[in-house]
Amino acid sequence: QSVLTQPPSVSAAPGQKVTISCSGSSSNIGINYVSWYQQLPGTAPKLLIYDNHKRPSGIPDRFSGSKSDTSATLGITGLQTGDEADYYCGTWDNSLSAVVFGGGTKLTVL
Amino acid sequence: EVQLVQSGAEVKKPGESLKISCKGSGYSFTNYWIGWVRQMPGKGLEWMGIIYPGDSDTRYSPSFQGQVTISADKSIITAYLQWSSLKASDTAIYYCARLLWQTTILQGIDYWGQGTLVTV
Repeated sequence: QSVLTQPPSVSAAPGQKVTISCSGSSSNIGINYVSWYQQLPGTAPKLLIYDNHKRPSGIPDRFSGSKSDTSATLGITGLQTGDEADYYCGTWDNSLSAVVFGGGTKLTVL
Repeated sequence: EVQLVQSGAEVKKPGESLKISCKGSGYSFTNYWIGWVRQMPGKGLEWMGIIYPGDSDTRYSPSFQGQVTISADKSIITAYLQWSSLKASDTAIYYCARLLWQTTILQGIDYWGQGTLVTV
């Protein structure tokens, strides 16, 4: 059971928008930054969002992040078939003194 | 260019020992925490622990404390993950990754190795 809770799967049509939620608690999301990772099939995870909403160089602005209280959301607009991947949220947990991840959300672009 | 290059796939028998590596380049290796992440077949990401190569300060996730050993050799800019006695349940892909901190707040994990598949 993951410390952070994500929906197992989401789907949408090409060109549409999708959001992925990540729910935590006061010991993790509530007091720390949230980051998001994209894992394409057979590859290593890649940083998409850090500091709740910032994008590393090279990440298109179709990807966005937000945080409110103990939850965070990843948004993806203008969906492309190449966006089909597993998406993970992550943060630090002060009670566990460890990085914690969500269980991952599989995005299907129909 | 920042790179984390991991050692190749391993096939081991239960009870054997193993040490896998992660070589960093393109940045100051001693100034960033390196973490290890497990991904079991078809499953999600699990945090194992972190090490600061500058002084070898090491922290383990409670789930992995006592099960593995994380170390680093700053002279050859390499971090390690090792097992003294492997189990079939250790079969997984193991990733090393660089952590990005703002003082004491984790900002994210900005670079990842390509992963090492360990089959027991």
